[in-house]
Amino acid sequence: AQSVSQHNHHVILSEAASLELGCNYSYGGTVNLFWYVQYPGQHLQLLLKYFSGDPLVKGIKGFEAEFIKSKFSFNLRKPSVQWSDTAEYFCAVNAPGGGYQKVTFGTGTKLQVIP
Amino acid sequence: EPEVTQTPSHQVTQMGQEVILRCVPISNHLYFYWYRQILGQKVEFLVSFYNNEISEKSEIFDDQFSVERPDGSNFTLKIRSTKLEDSAMYFCASHRDTNEKLFFGSGTQLSVL
Repeated sequence: AQSVSQHNHHVILSEAASLELGCNYSYGGTVNLFWYVQYPGQHLQLLLKYFSGDPLVKGIKGFEAEFIKSKFSFNLRKPSVQWSDTAEYFCAVNAPGGGYQKVTFGTGTKLQVIP
Repeated sequence: EPEVTQTPSHQVTQMGQEVILRCVPISNHLYFYWYRQILGQKVEFLVSFYNNEISEKSEIFDDQFSVERPDGSNFTLKIRSTKLEDSAMYFCASHRDTNEKLFFGSGTQLSVL
């Protein structure tokens, strides 16, 4: 079974600081990897995903993530955060195939950006 | 962008009562899911539904839970006899094709008293 670990539960940054949120997964085969974001009072939204190809994935709002297969990691980065990035961020994984997406989520990282 | 719609946004019920959570997936989507998030915990998969049947369910999805797509547009989650530990935010999600992104609804906050 897949599992996902997010190491930081709560991160506080000042505006313009750089962000890196850690994510490690555990699964023996090929995986699809995702980062979701949940802004306060809103639903989960997909930030970016990795299925195959270039391990550096660019998503919406200036976010990117790098898949490092040897480390089973998929860390999320943003060079300069804004107050509007305050949200909870979830790393997720699923095993491809089967025609459906049972996604296993990490516990989430709450990001607070201070103006 | 199209949206998955969930109603109600907040449901309060007494322990032992039945509740039905409603979802309207995006109209041309074929795969449907329910997830839940207990306060302070991670989002958990409950069930996936395709071609009018359950594709997979988690160990959480016991006999008290059922899903239905009664009329080709709604996708419902029923909990027959709610327990205190069923209190959570329930998310509906859908997508059209394999490996397409999931579209999540805004959730129904279920409070069991």
